[in-house]
Amino acid sequence: DAKTTQPNSMESNEEEPVHLPCNHSTISGTDYIHWYRQLPSQGPEYVIHGLTSNVNNRMASLAIAEDRKSSTLILHRATLRDAAVYYCILFSRARDDKIIFGKGTRLHILP
Amino acid sequence: DSGVTQTPKHLITATGQRVTLRCSPRSGDLSVYWYQQSLDQGLQFLIQYYNGEERAKGNILERFSAQQFPDLHSELNLSSLELGDSALYFCASSVGALRETQYFGPGTRLLVL
Repeated sequence: DAKTTQPNSMESNEEEPVHLPCNHSTISGTDYIHWYRQLPSQGPEYVIHGLTSNVNNRMASLAIAEDRKSSTLILHRATLRDAAVYYCILFSRARDDKIIFGKGTRLHILP
Repeated sequence: DSGVTQTPKHLITATGQRVTLRCSPRSGDLSVYWYQQSLDQGLQFLIQYYNGEERAKGNILERFSAQQFPDLHSELNLSSLELGDSALYFCASSVGALRETQYFGPGTRLLVL
């Protein structure tokens, strides 16, 4: 069973910001929130991760709700190359814990 | 290029056969993860090895097995293959055991006829 809930698909215009939501209401205190994306015909690639505070890197920003039950991946200026499936995953540090990717959000970028 | 290599890129075989998929992690990474991606199931975690030892198991069938060797490369063995085993198999690696950033290989596409 997926620990995270994401919309199946989203659309955005090129060069505009994109906000990809993720709900994880059963998150535990030690779970890290990771985002990966999978471009067509490629393996998933790491985007960003965080625990409690908002995070920024060259690819994106991650906004984490104060109660940590949801998060939002922000692409500041979407390009056509950002069209991909975006996965929000909770990574537990506990041994033997399964990794659950879920179905992700398919992001379409309109030129 | 993530630094993770997988061989072969493509594999076509028949039902009932056995195949071995190989993965070499990034230099310095001690953990290897195996995932299966089929059209209707999405990305499914199979198993994780850390420094030669099994650390976590996901939805891995009994017909499947894996191991990580002293040089840290890993092999995924799939036996008694069925049509439903046709999928993309990805390997990923990370530095430690605690599910830090994972770097994925390009995958092996398996077709069972």
